[in-house]
Amino acid sequence: NAGVMQNPRHLVRRRGQEARLRCSPMKGHSHVYWYRQLPEEGLKFMVYLQKENIIDESGMPKERFSAEFPKEGPSILRIQQVVRGDSAAYFCASSQRLAGTQETQYFGPGTRLLVL
Amino acid sequence: AQSVTQLGSHVSVSEGALVLLRCNYSSSVPPYLFWYVQYPNQGLQLLLKYTTGATLVKGINGFEAEFKKSETSFHLTKPSAHMSDAAEYFCAVSVPTGFQKLVFGTGTRLLVSP
Repeated sequence: NAGVMQNPRHLVRRRGQEARLRCSPMKGHSHVYWYRQLPEEGLKFMVYLQKENIIDESGMPKERFSAEFPKEGPSILRIQQVVRGDSAAYFCASSQRLAGTQETQYFGPGTRLLVL
Repeated sequence: AQSVTQLGSHVSVSEGALVLLRCNYSSSVPPYLFWYVQYPNQGLQLLLKYTTGATLVKGINGFEAEFKKSETSFHLTKPSAHMSDAAEYFCAVSVPTGFQKLVFGTGTRLLVSP
């Protein structure tokens, strides 16, 4: 069973360009979380999605950032008009929501975005 | 709101020595607590988690952690360090309602010397 897949693993963009980060959850998982890790910091929650629905985007910057998880295909985190402060590692996690205490998030290897 | 404090951004031990990584949390409701490990250029792997029940939790690779409500702590220990334990360790908290929105600490890098 393949784990969570993210691509690209490394992405270089110039200021003002767009960045698209993809996440394919584990087979059978319909819940996706995106986290951002700035240098020397812990991961910060960005957004939680289910298929075709954004459930909670309280951690997303108000501008330039958007996320989707379509019925078919991977989840996409899109950053428009990137700035140097967007340079970070972006991690996706997926889970299979289970009752009570059994949920576990499985993390992908991350996409490291560098904005020049 | 929940928060996590990890004391010590770096911890160095010798191979075979006890590993102790500290984690204190703040939560207005009984929390769920997690320890994750991150190897270089990889994603996070769950080591162990506390939700309810027994306060001493055993995880993978010989690690364990004890939930101490009175101290608001969830320290991670391993009796004998191995070179392969060198990695970054993150403590995280979530609340047991709604979805599992993890709040992470800033991480502790464990260095193991021969």
